[in-house]
Amino acid sequence: AQKITQTQPGMFVQEKEAVTLDCTYDTSDPSYGLFWYKQPSSGEMIFLIYQGSYDQQNATEGRYSLNFQKARKSANLVISASQLGDSAMYFCAMRPLAGNNRKLIWGLGTSLAVNP
Amino acid sequence: DGGITQSPKYLFRKEGQNVTLSCEQNLNHDAMYWYRQDPGQGLRLIYYSQIVNDFQKGDIAEGYSVSREKKESFPLTVTSAQKNPTAFYLCASSIRDSPYEQYFGPGTRLTVT
Repeated sequence: AQKITQTQPGMFVQEKEAVTLDCTYDTSDPSYGLFWYKQPSSGEMIFLIYQGSYDQQNATEGRYSLNFQKARKSANLVISASQLGDSAMYFCAMRPLAGNNRKLIWGLGTSLAVNP
Repeated sequence: DGGITQSPKYLFRKEGQNVTLSCEQNLNHDAMYWYRQDPGQGLRLIYYSQIVNDFQKGDIAEGYSVSREKKESFPLTVTSAQKNPTAFYLCASSIRDSPYEQYFGPGTRLTVT
């Protein structure tokens, strides 16, 4: 069965420091995509970064990077130089890239608090 | 500006009443989705539509109904048959069959008393 596990319910980080949010996944699909979303207190889901299972390089988007370790089935999000505005819930998600069932599978999220 | 709009932001209803949540997008996306989010939980898929006049049940479709008469619109009706309707509802859209991201609206918080 497909599953996303985020083991950190809550994390704290000092402003300007880097933080890693963990995500492990379980799937039998040969090709899949991994996503990270940010949900601030306003509620809207904001797409941050995408990693395809066959991508050779780790994805990066500005201060966000994805530490993709395929053999370990992990897709950790690294936020560099944390800002106060990074305080939010962060969700990891996965979907197969082939077949009829391409629904997104979501983790339970990690709450990040950035301290000034 | 392109995006997804959901209205209203907050909605209150009495138990036993049906209520319809609006979702409109001007991104020219073929696929649209409805999710439900409860406190401390991830998102759960209610319904999705890959094309106009076609939609499929997600993981928790019971007590909900949808229509997709226009590409831009995907309204969700929460019926009186839904046993626990109080939740945060998020609408999303994506390019059809794309492996890439879904774009989300701001959500509607529904409270049923």
